Amino acid sequence: NAGVMQNPRHLVRRRGQEARLRCSPMKGHSHVYWYRQLPEEGLKFMVYLQKENIIDESGMPKERFSAEFPKEGPSILRIQQVVRGDSAAYFCASSATGSSGNTIYFGEGSWLTVV
Amino acid sequence: GENVEQHPSTLSVQEGDSAVIKCTYSDSASNYFPWYKQELGKRPQLIIDIRSNVGEKKDQRIAVTLNKTAKHFSLHITETQPEDSAVYFCAARAPGDNRLAFGKGNQVVVIP
Repeated sequence: NAGVMQNPRHLVRRRGQEARLRCSPMKGHSHVYWYRQLPEEGLKFMVYLQKENIIDESGMPKERFSAEFPKEGPSILRIQQVVRGDSAAYFCASSATGSSGNTIYFGEGSWLTVV
Repeated sequence: GENVEQHPSTLSVQEGDSAVIKCTYSDSASNYFPWYKQELGKRPQLIIDIRSNVGEKKDQRIAVTLNKTAKHFSLHITETQPEDSAVYFCAARAPGDNRLAFGKGNQVVVIP
């Protein structure tokens, strides 16, 4: 049973370019979460999605960041016009349901470096 | 929203000793408390979790205790081994909340 799959694992972008991070949830999971982890810091919630719906994007920066989870295919976190401060590890997680007691499993992360 | 704090930020223990990490949370409605272990450059991995209807849960050398009155929960690792060295994150989630609120993490170093 494959876990949460993320790609690319490492991504280098120049300032001003776009970054696209992809996440396929665990088999049978329809709830996807994106978290950002800055160096030596904890995990900060960004967005929670179900298929074709953004449920909670209260942790997303107001500009340049967007997320989607289409009916077919992986969830995508898109960062436009990247800046140095966007350099971080971006973790996707999934769960079978959205209830508060449901276990959330993380992917291996996508490490974004902006140069 | 929920606010989770972890103490201490760094903990060094001799191999074979026990390690205890404590977390406090702010939202008394929170009812789910997982612990994740993260090794350098890797994903956070769930190691144990507890729900608010129990006070303690054990899994081999790992245990978690929950004190709802005081709003804190602790991770206990017994007979520590070098492979226990990692950053440990606690988290809390309230009913109806879409997110896990994480603490900043504890660096545990097991000295051989």
